[in-house]
Amino acid sequence: GEDVEQSLFLSVREGDSSVINCTYTDSSSTYLYWYKQEPGAGLQLLTYIFSNMDMKQDQRLTVLLNKKDKHLSLRIADTQTGDSAIYFCAGLRSGNTPLVFGKGTRLSVIA
Amino acid sequence: GAGVSQSPSNKVTEKGKDVELRCDPISGHTALYWYRQSLGQGLEFLIYFQGNSAPDKSGLPSDRFSAERTGGSVSTLTIQRTQQEDSAVYLCASSLGGQAEAFFGQGTRLTVV
Repeated sequence: GEDVEQSLFLSVREGDSSVINCTYTDSSSTYLYWYKQEPGAGLQLLTYIFSNMDMKQDQRLTVLLNKKDKHLSLRIADTQTGDSAIYFCAGLRSGNTPLVFGKGTRLSVIA
Repeated sequence: GAGVSQSPSNKVTEKGKDVELRCDPISGHTALYWYRQSLGQGLEFLIYFQGNSAPDKSGLPSDRFSAERTGGSVSTLTIQRTQQEDSAVYLCASSLGGQAEAFFGQGTRLTVV
């Protein structure tokens, strides 16, 4: 089955860029997602990328996918204190399989 | 409703008691997931319902855990003979299926004392 790994903590200064990394084991993962969980709240989808793409940009967010290394990253430009949250990487192998999540990366933004 | 609704939001129970956690998915969503979030453990997959297919129960940690989804809508996660290690936030999500976005509820925080 799929296994998704993330580093647990990241601390950045306000205004800097944040890069959150994720590795996955199942090369047949067709969709990869980033979810955000703010303190005391549920998860919300931030962005996603299909496995036939290398990069996706959405305003301050850039997702990079290296299929050869099974590595996914999320870059947040001009990080703000409101970006402080837990970020989860998730993979989906096919339409009838469950989403598999990593343990989440806790991003702390220092003013 | 507008989103995924879970009840209760908080539940404190004594060790050995049974508990039922409820999830109301978004109307029309065919896929429904249950996850468990423990401190420092990330999101642990429990069970997945997709339409009329047999549920994927591969994530249920023991036979004390079971879930059903009646009429393809509301789902109930039941934990029998609760143990302290069952303490966690139980999250439910629903989607239109396939690669569609999964929408999460606010979760039920279960504390076993």
